[in-house]
Amino acid sequence: GAVVSQHPSRVICKSGTSVKIECRSLDFQATTMFWYRQFPKKSLMLMATSNEGSKATYEQGVEKDKFLINHASLTLSTLTVTSAHPEDSSFYICSARPRGVNIQYFGAGTRLSVL
Amino acid sequence: QQQVKQSPQSLIVQKGGISIINCAYENTAFDYFPWYQQFPGKGPALLIAIRPDVSEKKEGRFTISFNKSAKQFSLHIMDSQPGDSATYFCAATWESYKLSFGAGTTVTVRA
Repeated sequence: GAVVSQHPSRVICKSGTSVKIECRSLDFQATTMFWYRQFPKKSLMLMATSNEGSKATYEQGVEKDKFLINHASLTLSTLTVTSAHPEDSSFYICSARPRGVNIQYFGAGTRLSVL
Repeated sequence: QQQVKQSPQSLIVQKGGISIINCAYENTAFDYFPWYQQFPGKGPALLIAIRPDVSEKKEGRFTISFNKSAKQFSLHIMDSQPGDSATYFCAATWESYKLSFGAGTTVTVRA
């Protein structure tokens, strides 16, 4: 089956620092990758959609300067949380969609804790 | 505004029982309806999915029933096992490839 690797699984950082999260599709080419945020006991909230080689499309209310997304290749997308603050603490999950297939495969998620 | 409404929020079932989760949608453009299973601290995993031209799909102990006219679909977990204890999300998508998720149902299977 399609495998999406997300790294790191957990990160703790100080307020004001930046954190980078990587999302890789291991056995397929992902033309589109998605980034979600999930609060405890809540559903997934789509933050942005990224297509390889083009700028990400952010959902309403998501600060693009705060959450930088780069989709440099067909197998790698990164989310950088810039100048992180405690309110950015959350569970971030990426997903990847293979070319021509309307299925999203999810990574294992990254637990970000900002002190 | 949630485009897919999911109920119940949580349910408890005895081992061997049937778990039923219901979802409803309004957007008739949706053409693909997946269900995801999520364990605590993990990402969602695709469980089973259906298209609106099919009324039922079964994979092992998991069955999706789809009622296009009522714009409703449901997940049935037969012979529920403690390992099925997880949060289940229904979702819907269309050509934009964005997923609209339901609010989630936490299923607890008691041994």
